Amino acid sequence: EIVMTQSPATLSVSPGERVTLSCRASQSINFNLAWYQHKPGQAPRLLIYGASVRAPGIPARFSGSGSGTDFTLTISSLQSEDLALYYCQQYTVRSHLTFGGGSKVEIK
Amino acid sequence: QVQLQESGPRLVRPSETLSLTCTVSDDSISSEYWSWIRSSPGKGLEWIGYIFHSGITKYNPSLKSRVTISVDTSNNQVSLNLFSVTAADTAVYYCARKLPGMSDAFDLWGQGAMVTVSS
Repeated sequence: EIVMTQSPATLSVSPGERVTLSCRASQSINFNLAWYQHKPGQAPRLLIYGASVRAPGIPARFSGSGSGTDFTLTISSLQSEDLALYYCQQYTVRSHLTFGGGSKVEIK
Repeated sequence: QVQLQESGPRLVRPSETLSLTCTVSDDSISSEYWSWIRSSPGKGLEWIGYIFHSGITKYNPSLKSRVTISVDTSNNQVSLNLFSVTAADTAVYYCARKLPGMSDAFDLWGQGAMVTVSS
């Protein structure tokens, strides 16, 4: 099983600030990584796949980078509606897809 | 816009079977992979398994002995059965569509079904 580790667990940020979330894989997953935004009471929303490809309709302030074992999701200027849990997911091992534990973004 | 809707009992007794159905709003069920994923406060998101319209399935090894996923293309439905449940299976259960193409990311999700395992 590929273990995905996310940091920080919680981040308090003021609107307009830059947010950087990290995701580390226990072994190389090439570019086979997705990021999701999950708000309470809603379905998760795909933000990024292929480590850096924005899903349709996702604002340009969301960007992804990285390859191998280390990945980053950046929100260039935090908006109040970005309050959520963010998860990374690897899909290199197609028979056992795994998610990170999540990073919670709070508005300061 | 394709929509997914989960349905089924929201309270299941320990040791019994959790059964949920996902209804897809159009006939794209015949061309994509469909997954079940669950979310709980203690464990975050957990992939349960997926099925292709042909019936090919893959399951999370940690749940494989207790889960079956099936597809009914005539009714545009994907079903989940999780056997011998315990309180640890209490979660919100989502059905989701795999992103068309080579990436096993999920681009479309249902609203989720909160299922509680309790006597």
